[in-house]
Amino acid sequence: GENVEQHPSTLSVQEGDSAVIKCTYSDSASNYFPWYKQELGKGPQLIIDIRSNVGEKKDQRIAVTLNKTAKHFSLHITETQPEDSAVYFCAASGPGYSSASKIIFGSGTRLSIRP
Amino acid sequence: GAGVSQSPSNKVTEKGKDVELRCDPISGHTALYWYRQSLGQGLEFLIYFQGNSAPDKSGLPSDRFSAERTGGSVSTLTIQRTQQEDSAVYLCASSYTGQRGDTQYFGPGTRLTVL
Repeated sequence: GENVEQHPSTLSVQEGDSAVIKCTYSDSASNYFPWYKQELGKGPQLIIDIRSNVGEKKDQRIAVTLNKTAKHFSLHITETQPEDSAVYFCAASGPGYSSASKIIFGSGTRLSIRP
Repeated sequence: GAGVSQSPSNKVTEKGKDVELRCDPISGHTALYWYRQSLGQGLEFLIYFQGNSAPDKSGLPSDRFSAERTGGSVSTLTIQRTQQEDSAVYLCASSYTGQRGDTQYFGPGTRLTVL
């Protein structure tokens, strides 16, 4: 089945700097890649997603890139702010899964923004 | 509108007891998912309900775990004869159609502690 690996597990950056989180997936048929942000005591929330027909997508300070050949995708956060501190999860989904919308999650990255 | 709600928010139980966790999805959402999140870990898929179709139970870790969804809305996850390794946050999510790429909206989770 699909396997999603996420790095790093923890990341600390200075406020205002950029943060990059990387994920790889194993199933070449995967075609949907969402990113979730989980704040303390809350459930994960979708922040951005990308489908396999595009290589990059941006939404204000966050962007996601996808390299289908290498089977990896990355989350980029620019001009980081204290409220960006959270755990971030990448995920992948595709037609080979037993359920149409079952998503396989990475292990998460705890991002800390230093003031 | 109201998001996904879960109850209780916290549950402490003794080893060997049964527990029931409740999820109220967003009104009108046809798909409902249960995940387990152990301390510092990613999200582990447990079970998926889509409309009137048979649920996808492929993620349930043992026959002590079961779930039902009544009337296509509220769902309960039941863990029988709880073990200490069952301690985790149990997250529920719902999506509008359950189709691939459909955003999953998560509830705040139930933190289960088995003593």
